[in-house]
Amino acid sequence: GIQVEQSPPDLILQEGANSTLRCNFSDSVNNLQWFHQNPWGQLINLFYIPSGTKQNGRLSATTVATERYSLLYISSSQTTDSGVYFCAVGRPSNDYKLSFGAGTTVTVRA
Amino acid sequence: DTAVSQTPKYLVTQMGNDKSIKCEQNLGHDTMYWYKQDSKKFLKIMFSYNNKELIINETVPNRFSPKSPDKAHLNLHINSLELGDSAVYFCASSQEYHTQYFGPGTRLTVL
Repeated sequence: GIQVEQSPPDLILQEGANSTLRCNFSDSVNNLQWFHQNPWGQLINLFYIPSGTKQNGRLSATTVATERYSLLYISSSQTTDSGVYFCAVGRPSNDYKLSFGAGTTVTVRA
Repeated sequence: DTAVSQTPKYLVTQMGNDKSIKCEQNLGHDTMYWYKQDSKKFLKIMFSYNNKELIINETVPNRFSPKSPDKAHLNLHINSLELGDSAVYFCASSQEYHTQYFGPGTRLTVL
């Protein structure tokens, strides 16, 4: 199956700092989504971004499908940004099936 | 208004028992999913239904059986529960294969 690697595995930030999370994948994808799992366990979809760039408030994401990676940018981090960030991808042969990376655990300190 | 809801939120049961988890979505989506998240937070797809048709059936024990009575509901029945079934089970929905919306999860503990 497709391999999804996220880096770094852990990230500690001071409030107000900026950061970049990376997602590499091993094959062509037709579906790529970023999720945030907050400390209470809720999974929130951040972006559906199989290609291109999107922004939502302090978060933005870029996917370069031809080079098999996606980046998630967090600017002016807040303590509420803490949690685990997951990248998930789906191959053209089965767009519905998302394979998840192991996640990046982000801790934002006040 | 809860978009994707699951019941129960917590489930504690003995080995060998049979249990069900229910999921409902009010987003009008045509596709629903069951995921399992293990103790290391790894998420893995188990099943998916599109318009009540099973489209993803991953390698899970046949003790797990999904049922979709209609497009808005997807249930998960688990027979003969084992210790290794302890995990958090998430339901999700999407319109076709686009943005997936997750329910709050059901934490299953098998004693």
